[in-house]
Formats: sequence, structure tokens, C-alpha cells
Amino acid sequence: GQQVMQIPQYQHVQEGEDFTTYCNSSTTLSNIQWYKQRPGGHPVFLIQLVKSGEVKKQKRLTFQFGEAKKNSSLHITATQTTDVGTYFCAGQAGNNRKLIWGLGTSLAVNP
Amino acid sequence: DTEVTQTPKHLVMGMTNKKSLKCEQHMGHRAMYWYKQKAKKPPELMFVYSYEKLSINESVPSRFSPECPNSSLLNLHLHALQPEDSALYLCASSQDPGRRSTDTQYFGPGTRLTVL
Repeated sequence: GQQVMQIPQYQHVQEGEDFTTYCNSSTTLSNIQWYKQRPGGHPVFLIQLVKSGEVKKQKRLTFQFGEAKKNSSLHITATQTTDVGTYFCAGQAGNNRKLIWGLGTSLAVNP
Repeated sequence: DTEVTQTPKHLVMGMTNKKSLKCEQHMGHRAMYWYKQKAKKPPELMFVYSYEKLSINESVPSRFSPECPNSSLLNLHLHALQPEDSALYLCASSQDPGRRSTDTQYFGPGTRLTVL
């Protein structure tokens, strides 16, 4: 079946260090979405990428969608303690409404 | 406003109880979703309603019964649950089911369910 692999599973950084999480799909995606879930919270939509090779920035966060529309990354520059949480990628393939979720990357930031 | 509300926030129920979870959105979205999320796992899709009709049932046991009374409301009726059904139940909505390739889902805060 369709799968999205996400690495790393956990990342522990010092405040101020950079952080990157990667997603790789077994099939071509029509779009990929990124969500952040704080401990005890719910997934909060961050961004959607649709175009091949697309790059979008939100302040210290940079999102990329690969040329083949099979992989994506989220990079955080100079992490802060407010970045703590689990980051999920979720893709859609073709016209299928169902999101294919990565297993998430849990980010811990030491102050 | 991208707000989806859910009640109750927490629910503890016995295996013989009947309870309902409620979800509401006022964004004019025409697709609504129920997800189940276990700790440290991504959300698992349970049901999708599109224009108030059930369009996807991910082989969910019949002890979970969804209902969509109107375009803003989504319920999940629970009966004879098992302890392994304890989880965070998330509702989500999205704007336009016809535009599937760009159909962002917005999640509510969830109901944390414990089955004793």
C-alpha cells in the first residue's frame, strides 16, 4: 500500500540549533501537508505544498517539496523551546481524499 | 476563522455505556472527518462525510456510529466500547471535497476517551 516514511523518529537539540525532518513517499503525491502537534494537543495545520520543487517559508520554518513530488522536508532554523512538539507530514495521492501520514518526528529542545 | 470545536474534552466510560462525541464547524466546510489517535502515533482515519453523506468508512467496528445531522455538525455515537478503544478522537473539516488535490484538513482539539 501507499506509505510515507518520516525520519528521524526523535530529535533532541540545544536551543539555537537547526532541525530538519524528512518525508519520503512510495508513490507520487498530489500534495503534501505539514502539521505540528504540541504535547497534549491536536494537529495544527502548518502548510500545504502542491507544485514540484516548491519551497515555502514561514519565519524560521522552510518547507520543500521534491521535484518528483515524492519527498518533502521541514527545516527549522535556530530552534526555540516553543518549537517543541511532533511534526507530521501527510500526503494525498491522485484524487484520493485520504491523507497518508508519516509517523512523525518528535522534537525536544533544551533551553 | 479556522476553528473546529469538539465536546466533551475528556470522557470516561464503562464498556456497557452509550455516549456521544460532538463536533462543530462554522467555516462552511462541506467535508467532515473522524480520526482516532493513539499516543505517539499519527491520526488514523475512521469516517469521512461529504455534503452530509457518509463517503468513507475505514472498516470501523459497528460500536462506533457516525452521524452528520447538518453541514456544521458531526457526531460519533459510542456503544459497548473496549478498553483498547481508549484514544484521542479528533474531528476535522475541509473546504471543498471536489477540490481534493488542495483540500486542507483543519482539526479540532479532540476528545480524550478512556474506556474502563
